[in-house]
Amino acid sequence: NAGVTQTPKFQVLKTGQSMTLQCAQDMNHNSMYWYRQDPGMGLRLIYYSASEGTTDKGEVPNGYNVSRLNKREFSLRLESAAPSQTSVYFCASSEARLAGMYYNEQFFGPGTRLTVL
Amino acid sequence: ILNVEQSPQSLHVQEGDSTNFTCSFPSSNFYALHWYRWETAKSPEALFVMTLNGDEKKKGRISATLNTKEGYSYLYIKGSQPEDSATYLCAFPNAGGTSYGKLTFGQGTILTVHP
Repeated sequence: NAGVTQTPKFQVLKTGQSMTLQCAQDMNHNSMYWYRQDPGMGLRLIYYSASEGTTDKGEVPNGYNVSRLNKREFSLRLESAAPSQTSVYFCASSEARLAGMYYNEQFFGPGTRLTVL
Repeated sequence: ILNVEQSPQSLHVQEGDSTNFTCSFPSSNFYALHWYRWETAKSPEALFVMTLNGDEKKKGRISATLNTKEGYSYLYIKGSQPEDSATYLCAFPNAGGTSYGKLTFGQGTILTVHP
């Protein structure tokens, strides 16, 4: 099992460009998440998807959109990149069924390092 | 927004030292407390999910305790080794029927073990 995979690993954009970060998991998990990690800020949730067909905002959603394409894939789109979006982006997944949603650990992808000039 | 705090922010110890750090979280609406280990240039990986007051979990030289009434958890590392150098994160599940596994992470404790 590959677990959680993310593409690309690195990306440099100019201000105003758009791009989509891809995430896929092969663990048949219901829930998927996008985080950004900035120095001194820890992991902050951008968007999450509780199940296929649903998405919801996290703590820092502005400037991002997401698509839960199917149960395996959850993509994050930057429509018009800004330097403030320079960060490391992590995708994660968890089983998180209603009965156990507090107890299931999250599994993280390897991250995408994005620089916006 | 849930308040999950970790202290200290960073810690430098010598190889062989034992060390511990703290995660504090809201004591009301407690369901679970997660600990993750995050090595540089890698992804966070779960260490423990703790659910019961007084719980103690152990994995090798790393152990964790939980006090849900006062809202804190300790992570202990016995006989630290350089390979224990990492950021240790705690995370608190968000309550509510639509939250589905959402976690609020603390800012982490960065541990550096010097040979």
